[in-house]
Amino acid sequence: KQEVTQIPAALSVPEGENLVLNCSFTDSAIYNLQWFRQDPGKGLTSLLLIQSSQREQTSGRLNASLDKSSGRSTLYIAASQPGDSATYLCAVRPGGKLIFGQGTELSVKP
Amino acid sequence: GAGVSQSPSNKVTEKGKDVELRCDPISGHTALYWYRQSLGQGLEFLIYFQGNSAPDKSGLPSDRFSAERTGGSVSTLTIQRTQQEDSAVYLCASSTGTGWTGELFFGEGSRLTVL
Repeated sequence: KQEVTQIPAALSVPEGENLVLNCSFTDSAIYNLQWFRQDPGKGLTSLLLIQSSQREQTSGRLNASLDKSSGRSTLYIAASQPGDSATYLCAVRPGGKLIFGQGTELSVKP
Repeated sequence: GAGVSQSPSNKVTEKGKDVELRCDPISGHTALYWYRQSLGQGLEFLIYFQGNSAPDKSGLPSDRFSAERTGGSVSTLTIQRTQQEDSAVYLCASSTGTGWTGELFFGEGSRLTVL
């Protein structure tokens, strides 16, 4: 059974820091991995999608990596800003549906 | 519209009543998903529609829950005889459904409160 774990559960950093969020999964048989952010009371916003054949994807200050063999993905956020404060979720796709981690709640202090 | 649209955004109902939640996916997206997010909990898969194939209903928590998708577009999630434990945010997503590699896009959700 595929399980997704995100560490840490919560993270607080000062503005300007670079940071890494971790995601691990138990079964490497996935089609892709997707990172989302969720603001309080809102839906999920897609950040990055990494296909199983890819190693990383970049969008602006965000970089996500995927190592299928070790069952790990990282989301790197450069030069963090208060507007980055949100819950970040990773999800893997072993088939039709996505399986989500519990999320990392990020707070960036001015 | 440009994104996934869900209605109502908020619904308060009394225990035992039926509710219907609507999802309008991104135009051209063939795959549609329903998830549930309870307070302090993760995202729980409910049901998945892919084109004309039979839906994957494996996540529906009880036979009080059902969903349909008409004309391959709009979907309605129905909860009969609502219970307090049904209180949650119900999220809908759609994707291009090209194989299982498409990116999922979520709506803002429907917040259900059962009194």
